[in-house]
Amino acid sequence: SQTIHQWPATLVQPVGSPLSLECTVEGTSNPNLYWYRQAAGRGLQLLFYSVGIGQISSEVPQNLSASRPQDRQFILSSKKLLLSDSGFYLCAWSLGSGNTIYFGEGSWLTVV
Amino acid sequence: QKEVEQDPGPLSVPEGAIVSLNCTYSNSAFQYFMWYRQYSRKGPELLMYTYSSGNKEDGRFTAQVDKSSKYISLFIRDSQPSDSATYLCAMSDGSSASKIIFGSGTRLSIRP
Repeated sequence: SQTIHQWPATLVQPVGSPLSLECTVEGTSNPNLYWYRQAAGRGLQLLFYSVGIGQISSEVPQNLSASRPQDRQFILSSKKLLLSDSGFYLCAWSLGSGNTIYFGEGSWLTVV
Repeated sequence: QKEVEQDPGPLSVPEGAIVSLNCTYSNSAFQYFMWYRQYSRKGPELLMYTYSSGNKEDGRFTAQVDKSSKYISLFIRDSQPSDSATYLCAMSDGSSASKIIFGSGTRLSIRP
């Protein structure tokens, strides 16, 4: 069966520091991968998605970036965090043209 | 107007009650409908998945889709304290999982 791992689970970072959140999927090949941000009362916001290695689509312009160095690895990064980057970040995956996505456990980011 | 509207709650009911959670939507092209359950500080978990109109039952959970009214529901029978969570509806037109639209979630509390 497929599993998704996301880390770290919680982090507190100062303004202006870099960020790296990692996500890996096991038990499948060539998944579509996603990064979402969830703000309280505002639902899920799609940040990036990828249909293959090195292929990244950005949905929202911001100071975050994403990379997919391997088939089942997805990384969310920032060179300099802003206070507004605080939130709950979720990695997710789907297969092909599938219409359901499956989420990781999430990463809580607090920028101070 | 948002594409998907969901009452944020909170909704509080006694244990054993039947719970009804609802979403309305505006895009008639939506064909795939999902319900996710999200416990506090965890990633959303896929609960129910339905295609087009009709009902789908899984244990104590029933998902209902009325495309003519652009209205979907999730019913929980014999509700348990462990059902206390936020429930997110989601839907798509099937073109891409990156086009899945999520509701903002309804917070549900089951009182023992």
